[in-house]
Amino acid sequence: DTEVTQTPKHLVMGMTNKKSLKCEQHMGHRAMYWYKQKAKKPPELMFVYSYEKLSINESVPSRFSPECPNSSLLNLHLHALQPEDSALYLCASSLLATGYGYEQYFGPGTRLTVT
Amino acid sequence: AQTVTQSQPEMSVQEAETVTLSCTYDTSESNYYLFWYKQPPSRQMILVIRQEAYKQQNATENRFSVNFQKAAKSFSLKISDSQLGDTAMYFCAFSDMRFGAGTRLTVKP
Repeated sequence: DTEVTQTPKHLVMGMTNKKSLKCEQHMGHRAMYWYKQKAKKPPELMFVYSYEKLSINESVPSRFSPECPNSSLLNLHLHALQPEDSALYLCASSLLATGYGYEQYFGPGTRLTVT
Repeated sequence: AQTVTQSQPEMSVQEAETVTLSCTYDTSESNYYLFWYKQPPSRQMILVIRQEAYKQQNATENRFSVNFQKAAKSFSLKISDSQLGDTAMYFCAFSDMRFGAGTRLTVKP
């Protein structure tokens, strides 16, 4: 199984809502990532988890709160988002964290619209 | 900090022909990895090819090969015998997963 799954596929939320994005992999990978991708732009790294510990936070606003409950699951909790946060949110995993040259496996993404 | 530059926003190629996508980067590290990822329209990003900086031999994966020039900090991707399914955004990426701006490749029948 070389699949990274993400739910939901689409999400529309108001600026006062609280929602969560979910990512799951069963490849035994110990590194998981969240990216934000705007239309026609490259993915921008947000967070990296290595062995279930947050290792990189790319100065992401606190309205985005990541969580890694176990080695297979990664969540992104959203609260009080702004319209400019509307984007495709990609999850990825790799055997070990960046710097070791391991391939990243990407999920299909969650398309988020903030109204 | 590393930077990755792709200077070709869009390219097109006829089916069965060869195309080369350019990527340059800047780093002070001596050992690192470089990647080309492909993102087809409305489909998941997948790895195309990977190069280790300390390996002088250029990486090859079937129709995909790279021209890695470490001194020039250049990492281009050559696609031979282009197929319609190669139509996608192609991103060059550094070890720390900083991506270049991308090149939109269209393969024409």
